[in-house]
Amino acid sequence: DADVTQTPRNRITKTGKRIMLECSQTKGHDRMYWYRQDPGLGLRLIYYSFDVKDINKGEISDGYSVSRQAQAKFSLSLESAIPNQTALYFCATSFGDTEAFFGQGTRLTVV
Amino acid sequence: RKEVEQDPGPFNVPEGATVAFNCTYSNSASQSFFWYRQDCRKEPKLLMSVYSSGNEDGRFTAQLNRASQYISLLIRDSKLSDSATYLCAVRPSGGFKTIFGAGTRLFVKA
Repeated sequence: DADVTQTPRNRITKTGKRIMLECSQTKGHDRMYWYRQDPGLGLRLIYYSFDVKDINKGEISDGYSVSRQAQAKFSLSLESAIPNQTALYFCATSFGDTEAFFGQGTRLTVV
Repeated sequence: RKEVEQDPGPFNVPEGATVAFNCTYSNSASQSFFWYRQDCRKEPKLLMSVYSSGNEDGRFTAQLNRASQYISLLIRDSKLSDSATYLCAVRPSGGFKTIFGAGTRLFVKA
């Protein structure tokens, strides 16, 4: 079983719909991140969290919100999805300043 | 200017070749450096961390040049299985955000 699990793995949704992407981890890491990946643009940070009470915006947080329900769970919401949010989304975790471990990704298509 | 920049490639090399990737970063306060490998439609996975003294892991060698603000990855004796996208990542001192480059695509051909 993966240490960082994302659900769903694939999702097609309509413009204007609310959608939540979920991430859970069994690594016991304190830090969790949400990235999106677009061709040619690499990984861009959406939100990050150091612990349950700490949430921080990344470089592209507009149109997104997050919730850190527990140390092991970090969800990403698109309140009203739009087509340019079509991308590959990755959740990641790290312990302190160590390297990041990624989930398997969620491929989201907004039509 | 992007915080972390990589040559997007693609690099097309024959098996057995040596290939080098560079990655430049703009924040001189950067402290932690990493190379990740990403296969098509998969998640990035850590290939190696980059230390000030440089480090080697088998056919892979990573170097850091703080004066010129770049890190490099050298792959010797390329294998078909090395075909992937290689992402560099940089984290500033005391910072918590890891910034990734857009990645360099490598194709190794028989």
